[in-house]
Amino acid sequence: DAKTTQPTSMDCAEGRAANLPCNHSTISGNEYVYWYRQIHSQGPQYIIHGLKNNETNEMASLIITEDRKSSTLILPHATLRDTAVYYCIAGGRYGQNFVFGPGTRLSVLP
Amino acid sequence: DAGVTQSPTHLIKTRGQHVTLRCSPISGHKSVSWYQQVLGQGPQFIFQYYEKEERGRGNFPDRFSARQFPNYSSELNVNALLLGDSALYLCASSLGQTGNSPLHFGNGTRLTVT
Repeated sequence: DAKTTQPTSMDCAEGRAANLPCNHSTISGNEYVYWYRQIHSQGPQYIIHGLKNNETNEMASLIITEDRKSSTLILPHATLRDTAVYYCIAGGRYGQNFVFGPGTRLSVLP
Repeated sequence: DAGVTQSPTHLIKTRGQHVTLRCSPISGHKSVSWYQQVLGQGPQFIFQYYEKEERGRGNFPDRFSARQFPNYSSELNVNALLLGDSALYLCASSLGQTGNSPLHFGNGTRLTVT
């Protein structure tokens, strides 16, 4: 199972793009990159996932490097409600291979 | 559609007691996973069930057990509770086991052991 490395914390101004990096240098060919976020006292919320192509949905964009060793989650116009802990996970099968690290605490500032 | 539902939302137990936590997956989802999250840390994997069979187990003692029912709902049981079992217990469901099937989490059961 691939391990991920994320910055402990980041700040972003409201209305600006938030770019959250993640390193997953040991990711294997069949493992996806997933992003979740967790607001205090709630369960983790699924944001987006991808295998090797860039992905976009109504919440965010996911940019995966060509060698798949790192990725960036982009929140295009951050709002105060985007303040949360963001988790990057590299996993194929679920269970013991779906490992949450400590995540990045994103603070969106007014 | 309803999301993953967990009950109860909060629970207070005494050391040595046992507890049963319940989870209803999203309709159509056949896989249920359980996670424990202590304050300040990311969720830690406990169990995964798919099609009513245990498919994975994390590094938790035998005091922890689970099962999945024919309707794909699930229970997590913890015996002989310790103070260290105080945590947020999260249930997540997914369509299948493949990597292209996101986990969707409930809001958890907050267990306090006194």
